[in-house]
Amino acid sequence: AQTVTQSQPEMSVQEAETVTLSCTYDTSESDYYLFWYKQPPSRQMILVIRQEAYKQQNATENRFSVNFQKAAKSFSLKISDSQLGDAAMYFCAYYPQGGKLIFGQGTELSVKP
Amino acid sequence: DAGITQSPRHKVTETGTPVTLRCHQTENHRYMYWYRQDPGHGLRLIHYSYGVKDTDKGEVSDGYSVSRSKTEDFLLTLESATSSQTSVYFCAISRQGNNQPQHFGDGTRLSIL
Repeated sequence: AQTVTQSQPEMSVQEAETVTLSCTYDTSESDYYLFWYKQPPSRQMILVIRQEAYKQQNATENRFSVNFQKAAKSFSLKISDSQLGDAAMYFCAYYPQGGKLIFGQGTELSVKP
Repeated sequence: DAGITQSPRHKVTETGTPVTLRCHQTENHRYMYWYRQDPGHGLRLIHYSYGVKDTDKGEVSDGYSVSRSKTEDFLLTLESATSSQTSVYFCAISRQGNNQPQHFGDGTRLSIL
Protein backbone atom coordinates (compact mmCIF):
# COMPACT_ATOMS: atom_id res chain seq x y z
CA ALA A 1 0.00 0.00 0.00
CA GLN A 2 1.13 3.52 -0.72
CA THR A 3 1.80 5.49 2.46
CA VAL A 4 3.06 8.91 3.43
CA THR A 5 4.87 9.43 6.72
CA GLN A 6 5.62 12.67 8.49
CA SER A 7 7.73 11.66 11.46
CA GLN A 8 7.68 15.04 13.22
CA PRO A 9 4.28 15.71 14.84
CA GLU A 10 5.53 19.12 16.06
CA MET A 11 8.33 21.48 15.12
CA SER A 12 9.38 24.88 16.36
CA VAL A 13 11.47 27.61 14.75
CA GLN A 14 12.66 31.04 15.72
CA GLU A 15 11.40 33.90 13.59
CA ALA A 16 13.78 34.63 10.66
CA GLU A 17 15.43 31.23 11.01
CA THR A 18 15.19 28.23 8.67
CA VAL A 19 13.28 25.03 9.38
CA THR A 20 12.96 21.75 7.49
CA LEU A 21 9.91 19.49 7.67
CA SER A 22 10.40 15.84 6.77
CA CYS A 23 8.24 13.57 4.62
CA THR A 24 8.83 10.07 3.31
CA TYR A 25 6.56 7.97 1.14
CA ASP A 26 6.32 4.41 -0.01
CA THR A 27 5.52 3.58 -3.62
CA SER A 28 6.52 1.33 -6.48
CA GLU A 29 5.41 3.91 -9.05
CA SER A 30 7.91 5.92 -11.07
CA ASP A 31 5.60 8.73 -12.18
CA TYR A 32 3.74 10.73 -9.56
CA TYR A 33 3.38 14.13 -7.94
CA LEU A 34 4.12 15.42 -4.48
CA PHE A 35 2.61 18.39 -2.69
CA TRP A 36 2.94 20.33 0.52
CA TYR A 37 -0.22 21.91 1.91
CA LYS A 38 -0.43 24.44 4.74
CA GLN A 39 -3.38 24.55 7.15
CA PRO A 40 -3.42 27.62 9.39
CA PRO A 41 -5.80 27.92 12.38
CA SER A 42 -8.45 29.20 9.97
CA ARG A 43 -8.67 25.57 8.77
CA GLN A 44 -8.11 26.45 5.08
CA MET A 45 -5.98 24.03 3.08
CA ILE A 46 -3.48 26.08 1.07
CA LEU A 47 -1.20 24.60 -1.57
CA VAL A 48 2.39 25.61 -0.79
CA ILE A 49 4.47 23.82 -3.40
CA ARG A 50 4.36 20.91 -5.84
CA GLN A 51 6.97 18.61 -7.36
CA GLU A 52 6.74 16.33 -10.39
CA ALA A 53 8.66 13.09 -9.84
CA TYR A 54 10.12 13.14 -13.36
CA LYS A 55 11.79 16.50 -12.69
CA GLN A 56 15.16 16.30 -10.99
CA GLN A 57 15.19 20.00 -10.16
CA ASN A 58 13.82 20.81 -6.75
CA ALA A 59 10.76 23.08 -6.74
CA THR A 60 10.98 26.54 -5.19
CA GLU A 61 8.29 29.08 -4.30
CA ASN A 62 9.71 32.22 -2.72
CA ARG A 63 10.82 31.25 0.82
CA PHE A 64 9.64 27.66 0.38
CA SER A 65 11.75 24.99 -1.29
CA VAL A 66 11.85 21.21 -1.34
CA ASN A 67 14.59 18.62 -1.21
CA PHE A 68 13.29 15.81 -3.40
CA GLN A 69 15.26 12.57 -3.18
CA LYS A 70 13.47 10.13 -5.47
CA ALA A 71 15.61 7.08 -4.72
CA ALA A 72 15.24 7.62 -1.01
CA LYS A 73 11.51 8.46 -1.41
CA SER A 74 12.01 11.60 0.59
CA PHE A 75 10.34 15.00 0.09
CA SER A 76 11.27 17.57 2.71
CA LEU A 77 10.07 21.18 2.88
CA LYS A 78 12.45 23.97 3.80
CA ILE A 79 11.08 27.29 5.00
CA SER A 80 13.62 30.11 4.98
CA ASP A 81 13.36 33.37 6.90
CA SER A 82 10.44 32.01 8.92
CA GLN A 83 7.61 34.42 9.66
CA LEU A 84 4.90 34.38 12.30
CA GLY A 85 2.36 33.74 9.56
CA ASP A 86 4.08 30.46 8.71
CA ALA A 87 2.74 28.92 11.93
CA ALA A 88 0.37 26.18 10.80
CA MET A 89 -0.13 22.48 10.28
CA TYR A 90 1.77 21.27 7.21
CA PHE A 91 0.72 18.21 5.25
CA CYS A 92 2.77 16.29 2.73
CA ALA A 93 0.73 14.56 0.02
CA TYR A 94 1.50 11.98 -2.66
CA TYR A 95 -0.45 11.76 -5.90
CA PRO A 96 0.16 8.80 -8.24
CA GLN A 97 -0.86 8.83 -11.88
CA GLY A 98 -4.45 7.67 -12.12
CA GLY A 99 -4.63 7.33 -8.37
CA LYS A 100 -5.85 9.28 -5.38
CA LEU A 101 -4.21 11.88 -3.19
CA ILE A 102 -2.69 10.38 -0.03
CA PHE A 103 -1.84 12.64 2.90
CA GLY A 104 0.66 12.31 5.71
CA GLN A 105 -0.36 12.81 9.32
CA GLY A 106 0.81 16.42 9.42
CA THR A 107 3.47 18.45 11.23
CA GLU A 108 2.44 21.34 13.44
CA LEU A 109 4.88 24.21 13.08
CA SER A 110 5.12 26.97 15.67
CA VAL A 111 7.13 30.15 15.09
CA LYS A 112 8.64 31.94 18.08
CA PRO A 113 9.04 35.73 17.95
CA ASP B 1 -9.56 31.50 -3.80
CA ALA B 2 -11.10 28.67 -5.80
CA GLY B 3 -14.89 29.03 -5.86
CA ILE B 4 -15.82 26.29 -3.41
CA THR B 5 -18.56 26.67 -0.83
CA GLN B 6 -19.29 24.08 1.83
CA SER B 7 -22.50 24.11 3.80
CA PRO B 8 -23.15 24.05 6.63
CA ARG B 9 -19.89 25.25 8.22
CA HIS B 10 -20.81 23.73 11.57
CA LYS B 11 -23.38 21.16 12.59
CA VAL B 12 -24.26 19.36 15.79
CA THR B 13 -26.62 16.43 15.59
CA GLU B 14 -27.58 13.24 17.40
CA THR B 15 -26.61 9.66 16.76
CA GLY B 16 -28.92 7.93 14.31
CA THR B 17 -30.05 11.03 12.43
CA PRO B 18 -29.37 11.53 8.72
CA VAL B 19 -26.95 14.30 7.75
CA THR B 20 -26.20 15.80 4.36
CA LEU B 21 -23.24 18.06 3.64
CA ARG B 22 -23.12 20.10 0.47
CA CYS B 23 -20.20 21.18 -1.66
CA HIS B 24 -20.83 23.75 -4.37
CA GLN B 25 -18.24 24.90 -6.93
CA THR B 26 -18.27 27.69 -9.49
CA GLU B 27 -15.14 26.53 -11.35
CA ASN B 28 -16.76 23.90 -13.60
CA HIS B 29 -14.08 21.42 -12.52
CA ARG B 30 -14.63 17.80 -13.40
CA TYR B 31 -13.29 16.18 -10.23
CA MET B 32 -14.75 16.63 -6.77
CA TYR B 33 -13.71 14.94 -3.52
CA TRP B 34 -14.85 14.49 0.05
CA TYR B 35 -12.28 14.03 2.83
CA ARG B 36 -12.45 13.77 6.57
CA GLN B 37 -9.76 15.14 8.85
CA ASP B 38 -9.03 13.58 12.22
CA PRO B 39 -6.09 14.15 14.59
CA GLY B 40 -3.16 11.85 13.79
CA HIS B 41 -4.62 10.80 10.44
CA GLY B 42 -4.28 13.80 8.19
CA LEU B 43 -6.97 13.88 5.52
CA ARG B 44 -8.53 10.67 4.32
CA LEU B 45 -10.57 10.28 1.15
CA ILE B 46 -14.20 9.25 1.62
CA HIS B 47 -15.62 9.40 -1.91
CA TYR B 48 -14.85 11.21 -5.10
CA SER B 49 -16.55 12.05 -8.39
CA TYR B 50 -15.09 12.26 -11.88
CA GLY B 51 -18.24 13.58 -13.53
CA VAL B 52 -21.99 13.93 -13.20
CA LYS B 53 -23.36 10.69 -11.73
CA ASP B 54 -19.86 9.16 -11.79
CA THR B 55 -18.58 8.45 -8.29
CA ASP B 56 -16.23 6.03 -6.61
CA LYS B 57 -15.19 5.01 -3.12
CA GLY B 58 -12.18 6.23 -1.25
CA GLU B 59 -10.24 4.90 1.71
CA VAL B 60 -12.93 5.40 4.39
CA SER B 61 -16.26 5.12 2.56
CA ASP B 62 -18.21 2.89 4.98
CA GLY B 63 -21.24 4.71 6.38
CA TYR B 64 -21.18 7.42 3.71
CA SER B 65 -22.89 7.90 0.37
CA VAL B 66 -22.53 10.62 -2.24
CA SER B 67 -24.44 12.02 -5.16
CA ARG B 68 -23.59 14.36 -8.01
CA SER B 69 -26.54 15.31 -10.19
CA LYS B 70 -24.96 18.54 -11.43
CA THR B 71 -21.38 19.48 -12.20
CA GLU B 72 -21.36 22.13 -9.51
CA ASP B 73 -22.80 20.16 -6.57
CA PHE B 74 -21.43 17.16 -4.69
CA LEU B 75 -23.41 15.92 -1.70
CA LEU B 76 -22.13 13.74 1.13
CA THR B 77 -24.75 11.87 3.16
CA LEU B 78 -24.47 10.06 6.45
CA GLU B 79 -27.59 7.90 6.42
CA SER B 80 -27.50 7.23 10.17
CA ALA B 81 -24.81 9.26 11.88
CA THR B 82 -22.56 7.65 14.50
CA SER B 83 -20.21 9.26 17.01
CA SER B 84 -17.22 7.90 15.07
CA GLN B 85 -18.21 10.20 12.22
CA THR B 86 -17.55 13.28 14.30
CA SER B 87 -14.89 15.03 12.26
CA VAL B 88 -14.02 17.95 10.05
CA TYR B 89 -15.11 17.33 6.47
CA PHE B 90 -13.42 18.93 3.48
CA CYS B 91 -14.55 19.14 -0.10
CA ALA B 92 -11.94 19.55 -2.83
CA ILE B 93 -11.99 20.07 -6.58
CA SER B 94 -9.51 19.65 -9.39
CA ARG B 95 -9.68 20.29 -13.09
CA GLN B 96 -8.39 16.95 -14.37
CA GLY B 97 -7.34 14.91 -11.37
CA ASN B 98 -3.93 13.27 -11.49
CA ASN B 99 -1.29 15.95 -11.82
CA GLN B 100 -3.59 18.86 -11.07
CA PRO B 101 -3.48 20.10 -7.49
CA GLN B 102 -6.69 19.95 -5.52
CA HIS B 103 -8.26 23.10 -4.14
CA PHE B 104 -10.13 22.82 -0.89
CA GLY B 105 -13.23 24.33 0.67
CA ASP B 106 -13.16 25.77 4.18
CA GLY B 107 -14.41 22.61 5.84
CA THR B 108 -17.47 21.57 7.85
CA ARG B 109 -17.11 20.73 11.52
CA LEU B 110 -19.61 17.96 12.30
CA SER B 111 -20.27 16.84 15.87
CA ILE B 112 -22.43 13.80 16.53
CA LEU B 113 -23.57 13.41 20.11
